Amino acid sequence: DSGVTQTPKHLITATGQRVTLRCSPRSGDLSVYWYQQSLDQGLQFLIQYYNGEERAKGNILERFSAQQFPDLHSELNLSSLELGDSALYFCASSLGTSGIATQYFGPGTRLTVL
Amino acid sequence: DQQVKQNSPSLSVQEGRISILNCDYTNSMFDYFLWYKKYPAEGPTFLISISSIKDKNEDGRFTVFLNKSAKHLSLHIVPSQPGDSAVYFCAAKDSGGYQKVTFGTGTKLQVIP
Repeated sequence: DSGVTQTPKHLITATGQRVTLRCSPRSGDLSVYWYQQSLDQGLQFLIQYYNGEERAKGNILERFSAQQFPDLHSELNLSSLELGDSALYFCASSLGTSGIATQYFGPGTRLTVL
Repeated sequence: DQQVKQNSPSLSVQEGRISILNCDYTNSMFDYFLWYKKYPAEGPTFLISISSIKDKNEDGRFTVFLNKSAKHLSLHIVPSQPGDSAVYFCAAKDSGGYQKVTFGTGTKLQVIP
């Protein structure tokens, strides 16, 4: 158990809908990262937050947004969903934002868009 | 553009033998490399890492080798155990980024008892 929790575990929705994925980092970790893993793809970095502020952005679509709240949990919002958004979404956390801090991953949320 | 490549989607090894997982990268700005292991229905877990100023890092049965000139790294597992059966992701951190880590597509290792 990494100490990172993600809810829900599974989510099935329809095209055009909007969903929110939730992540609670390990106790004491200030950084949260979001990744997307599509079929046969590696983990694609989406976005990082550190202590409530956006720190780095990857290949995140404009239809996607995220935020980190004062209690350090984070939410990833996906809107106008398309079939291609079906994927595993992982959240990870780390203590700081220095270059070599180990990231601890949650179990992921499997999103299926029908 | 896949900057971190794991060209072998899968690998089968007999228990007790050596497993060698390979990874190639294209971005010369990468300065830190990591290996993660992932079991089904779980998130990836950190396994071992290496800084670009080193060419080898060892942790128990796991050793990572880095060849900067070839932009190649490998993970050696000796001896391989059935519990090592998992998907292994190679990852690299950009020296210019806060913490942006680029992952490969993974290699599924099966250790046969």
